[in-house]
Amino acid sequence: DAGVIQSPRHEVTEMGQEVTLRCKPISGHDYLFWYRQTMMRGLELLIYFNNNVPIDDSGMPEDRFSAKMPNASFSTLKIQPSEPRDSAVYFCASSPLAGGPINEQFFGPGTRLTVL
Amino acid sequence: GENVEQHPSTLSVQEGDSAVIKCTYSDSASNYFPWYKQELGKRPQLIIDIRSNVGEKKDQRIAVTLNKTAKHFSLHITETQPEDSAVYFCAPRRGSTLGRLYFGRGTQLTVWP
Repeated sequence: DAGVIQSPRHEVTEMGQEVTLRCKPISGHDYLFWYRQTMMRGLELLIYFNNNVPIDDSGMPEDRFSAKMPNASFSTLKIQPSEPRDSAVYFCASSPLAGGPINEQFFGPGTRLTVL
Repeated sequence: GENVEQHPSTLSVQEGDSAVIKCTYSDSASNYFPWYKQELGKRPQLIIDIRSNVGEKKDQRIAVTLNKTAKHFSLHITETQPEDSAVYFCAPRRGSTLGRLYFGRGTQLTVWP
């Protein structure tokens, strides 16, 4: 398996533009997580899904952020409109069924977003 | 939610010395205790984990110890090497929220040659 795949790897956009980040989890994993990492706030959980259903979106900063998981192999995180304070590295991670023999969260390479 | 604290936030050691990072958590029902390592510019990766029915686990130069009564667990790295320089995160899991990990703020470890 290629691991968790994220695209794009880098995104530079101007304030007010829409940004869409994409993630393909590891096949067979039940959970998908979106994190944001900054120096100031560390690694923050934005939202996570179990079997394509959002379980907890309390970490989503505001209505400008939305996430979807239309099927087991694809998820998007959208920011509309983007602001300079959204600049960060966004990680997607996936993990197998909790309570099973493997509990590890596997992270993708991240998307470095810069909003000018 | 789970309150997770790591200490220290930064740690500098000489190559060959040992390093210890402590993580405290608030939920007594937490049942899974991993440590992740993130090298500069890379993604976090699991390096060792322990379940609540075990007190200690070792893997070569790294070990994790768990004290459930006191609600803390620690990462121990012996014979440190420059390639151990990274940010280390603890990420306990609460029993009531299967799947989700609660990441600490991280500890920047620097190993000087």
